[in-house]
Amino acid sequence: DVKVTQSSRYLVKRTGEKVFLECVQDMDHENMFWYRQDPGLGLRLIYFSYDVKMKEKGDIPEGYSVSREKKERFSLILESASTNQTSMYLCASSLGHSQGVGDTQYFGPGTRLTVL
Amino acid sequence: GQQVMQIPQYQHVQEGEDFTTYCNSSTTLSNIQWYKQRPGGHPVFLIQLVKSGEVKKQKRLTFQFGEAKKNSSLHITATQTTDVGTYFCAGPKGYSTLTFGKGTMLLVSP
Repeated sequence: DVKVTQSSRYLVKRTGEKVFLECVQDMDHENMFWYRQDPGLGLRLIYFSYDVKMKEKGDIPEGYSVSREKKERFSLILESASTNQTSMYLCASSLGHSQGVGDTQYFGPGTRLTVL
Repeated sequence: GQQVMQIPQYQHVQEGEDFTTYCNSSTTLSNIQWYKQRPGGHPVFLIQLVKSGEVKKQKRLTFQFGEAKKNSSLHITATQTTDVGTYFCAGPKGYSTLTFGKGTMLLVSP
């Protein structure tokens, strides 16, 4: 079974703090994704990565950056947290190599971040 | 850009009633996927449909992919309280990303 883990289930930070959210997958997947989920807005893609050190902006990248130094690990960074970044953050991974067919994505348990 | 729309946004049924959620894409899809997210949980893959007109069943769940490959539906027969959650459809976008619908939240009263 694919396992995607996230470093924290709940996180409380203050405005202006630098925040790191970590995600690790154990199935040698090529692709990794960061989403945020807000009521009524569904899942919105922040960033994704299709290879080590490669990253692409998603639909809402503003205020975020990412890092993928190792294949199994994908980090989401909030350089200066703001209250409007309070949300549920979900990491996902997929096998890759599909060239646009759209791989099944496997999600982590999520991190609920509150920025005060 | 590609949009995937789902209706209804929310549905509350009595246990034993049927439930259907609909998904419509602004573009033709090579495949469509369905996910379920239980309350407090994370999205979990249910199924992928690839062929035009395809119908697949998983116990009480029936998934359909439209002939034009622009719409899909999920029908649950005789809902149970274990069916509670949000159901998302998703279509491929670009290189291995997915566009998710906003989901249909299903509540089932015993």
